[in-house]
This record gives sequence, structure tokens and C-alpha cells, in this order.
Amino acid sequence: EPEVTQTPSHQVTQMGQEVILRCVPISNHLYFYWYRQILGQKVEFLVSFYNNEISEKSEIFDDQFSVERPDGSNFTLKIRSTKLEDSAMYFCASRQGEFTDTQYFGPGTRLTVL
Amino acid sequence: DAKTTQPPSMDCAEGRAANLPCNHSTISGNEYVYWYRQIHSQGPQYIIHGLKNNETNEMASLIITEDRKSSTLILPHATLRDTAVYYCIVRPNQAGTALIFGKGTTLSVSS
Repeated sequence: EPEVTQTPSHQVTQMGQEVILRCVPISNHLYFYWYRQILGQKVEFLVSFYNNEISEKSEIFDDQFSVERPDGSNFTLKIRSTKLEDSAMYFCASRQGEFTDTQYFGPGTRLTVL
Repeated sequence: DAKTTQPPSMDCAEGRAANLPCNHSTISGNEYVYWYRQIHSQGPQYIIHGLKNNETNEMASLIITEDRKSSTLILPHATLRDTAVYYCIVRPNQAGTALIFGKGTTLSVSS
């Protein structure tokens, strides 16, 4: 069964550094998402992406965040200048199309900011 | 904020049916009821969804009341691997719409 994959599984960085989290969505999917989950808290929506542009974003997704689909397979989340509070699990998800609604999630990247 | 209310925790004996309730009294006519679960810190896993009819798949059954103000997820024969946080989410069937997760129900299955 096709799966969403994410790399790396764990990323440790220093405060102020840039990080790029990578996702490979399911191949025939058209809608892509990033969510995050701070330890012990709820899963929170960050951004959705379709047709090479952001379709929706939350208030968490401020100017330090950006997303990109650099080629036909990868979907990335960049955090420009990491803060301690960015430490969380980051989940990528994808959805096939407009009339099929299930979002499939990847295993997540654990980001630790020191 | 999430538009659903779920009990924070439930217990179930292995092999028995687990019935997880969800209240969504303000659900709109175009909103579906979705269930996802999260095992430990893994990515959320889709289980099932429905609009107004009862639904069944290989994982679970979803029973939606006639007024659509509440629903029940049924795991017919719970196993230890079903121990997880279960999320009931209402959302319109529109592309790009974010999933808004609440705190969910922590289901503990024990032998």
C-alpha cells in the first residue's frame, strides 16, 4: 500500500538555524499538508498546498515558515530561524483529489531545537 | 476549536467491542464525521468517515444518529494494538480543508 514518507525521522538543531523537513507524498495525490504536535498537546494544522501554492494556512504558519514542492515528488517545510518552541513532531499528509477526502499521514519528523 | 466532544479515556478488554462515542451537536448539513487514531507518537491514521448513513469497513463501523448530533465508532473485536488516541472530527468534504484535532479519547485495551 502506498505510504507518505518523511525524512529525517529526528532532527536536532541549534536555535536560530534553518531546517528543512522533507516529505514524499503518495504519488497520485494532489493536496499536501503539514501539521505539528508539540509533546503532550493536540495535533495542529499548519498549511495546505495545492497546484503549487498555499491554499490555507493557520496563524501558526508565520513568516518563518515556508513550503515548497521543488520537484514532482518532494514536499518540504522550511523553518528559517528555529526557536525553542518549534520543537515538535511535524507530520506531512496528502490527499488524492477534490472528491476523495481521506488525508494520509506520514510517520513524522521529530524536531528538537536546543 | 474542535466542534466535537469525546470522553477523555475509555478502557476495553481484548476481544470485546470498543464503542467510542462522539457528540457533534452543531454539525452542519455539509459536514462529514471522520475518525482518525494516533498510536503513540505516530502519524494519525484514517479509520472511517460518514455523512448520515452508517458505514463499515475492514477496521471499524460508524453509527451516526438520525439527527446527526452524535456518532459511535465501533471496533468489533479490540486488540492490544488498538490502544491509541481516537479523534472524532467534523469537516466539510472540500479539498484543502484542514483537519482540526481535539484531544480525542484515549482507548486502553487490556488482556
